[in-house]
Amino acid sequence: NAGVMQNPRHLVRRRGQEARLRCSPMKGHSHVYWYRQLPEEGLKFMVYLQKENIIDESGMPKERFSAEFPKEGPSILRIQQVVRGDSAAYFCASSPFMGTDSNTEAFFGQGTRLTVV
Amino acid sequence: SQQGEEDPQALSIQEGENATMNCSYKTSINNLQWYRQNSGRGLVHLILIRSNEREKHSGRLRVTLDTSKKSSSLLITASRAADTASYFCATDLTSGTYKYIFGTGTRLKVLA
Repeated sequence: NAGVMQNPRHLVRRRGQEARLRCSPMKGHSHVYWYRQLPEEGLKFMVYLQKENIIDESGMPKERFSAEFPKEGPSILRIQQVVRGDSAAYFCASSPFMGTDSNTEAFFGQGTRLTVV
Repeated sequence: SQQGEEDPQALSIQEGENATMNCSYKTSINNLQWYRQNSGRGLVHLILIRSNEREKHSGRLRVTLDTSKKSSSLLITASRAADTASYFCATDLTSGTYKYIFGTGTRLKVLA
């Protein structure tokens, strides 16, 4: 059972371009979370998705950022018209559906390191 | 401000010594988890402690949880150079949503 797969591992974009980050959750996991980590900081929650639904996007910037988790395929975090301040590591995590039991860990991918030049 | 805040922010010890890191949080939780992150890498789950548990062990790791003080500690005994990493606590605020809030981390350096 492969872990959470993120690609690319490293992404370089010029200011104004679009960045697309992909996350394939662990097999059997229907919950996906995206986090952003700035250098020397902790992880900041961005968005929580289930298949075809955005459950909580309270941590997402209102503009230029969007996320989806389609019925088929990986979850995508899209950043349009990137700026230097978007440079960070973006981590995806997944967890299985456990009903109302929240006492389970989230499994993290290795992250995508975005550099905007 | 962050829900979880670790202290100290940085810790440097000699190999063989014990390392203790603390995490404080603000609101009620269902569980608290500790993760390790090696430089430039992803997060590795270390241990989960439920809100009705007070202490948990895993190998050289010991985690305590004091819900009355809204705090947790992670103890690494007999530290090794390979333990050098950043350690984060994460709290799950709402049942069933898995929205984990991370602290800013403790950077541990174990000197050989």
